[in-house]
Amino acid sequence: GAVVSQHPSWVICKSGTSVKIECRSLDFQATTMFWYRQFPKQSLMLMATSNEGSKATYEQGVEKDKFLINHASLTLSTLTVTSAHPEDSSFYICSARAAGGENTEAFFGQGTRLTVV
Amino acid sequence: AQTVTQSQPEMSVQEAETVTLSCTYDTSESNYYLFWYKQPPSRQMILVIRQEAYKQQNATENRFSVNFQKAAKSFSLKISDSQLGDTAMYFCAFRGTPGGTSYGKLTFGQGTILTVHP
Repeated sequence: GAVVSQHPSWVICKSGTSVKIECRSLDFQATTMFWYRQFPKQSLMLMATSNEGSKATYEQGVEKDKFLINHASLTLSTLTVTSAHPEDSSFYICSARAAGGENTEAFFGQGTRLTVV
Repeated sequence: AQTVTQSQPEMSVQEAETVTLSCTYDTSESNYYLFWYKQPPSRQMILVIRQEAYKQQNATENRFSVNFQKAAKSFSLKISDSQLGDTAMYFCAFRGTPGGTSYGKLTFGQGTILTVHP
């Protein structure tokens, strides 16, 4: 299967600072990328969908000014958590999907554990 | 909106035995995809098996098979000859097709933690 690399795998930051998470498709061009949040032993909750070159579409209840998503190229999307607070501590997962119609699979990154102290 | 329900928070099975994980979903769309994903302790999401709703034949991947009942909106996963490496959290997921409101997005169930005992 295709490879999606997420960086960093884990990060600790201080309250009030911003942190950026990268999601790269290593061997295919990802026209669409998805960002999820997952709390321990819970399901993945979709935060936003980004299409290359256009603004991200956020799910209801997700603050777009707090979770900035950029999908500037066909191989890279970034999620920036701005002015992070302890309640933003979570596991963030991206997935990437190539163009090609409804049969195209989405591949997941390995996730980023964010801890805000 | 689509919903996916996994009613078994935790399951356990002895090595080499068979276990079935349940999943039901609700949708008004006529065509869609259903998936089972595995998330081991590493937390990497791994696709186990997928089913296209318009195909009547149940999907099979080695020891993994599904029982897809479209009318009942049920999509269970059977794991045969369970192995220790099957220990993971399993998620059932729904994805719509072009023209539907849920096209492209995966909607996940709550997950089932499966433990395989030696």
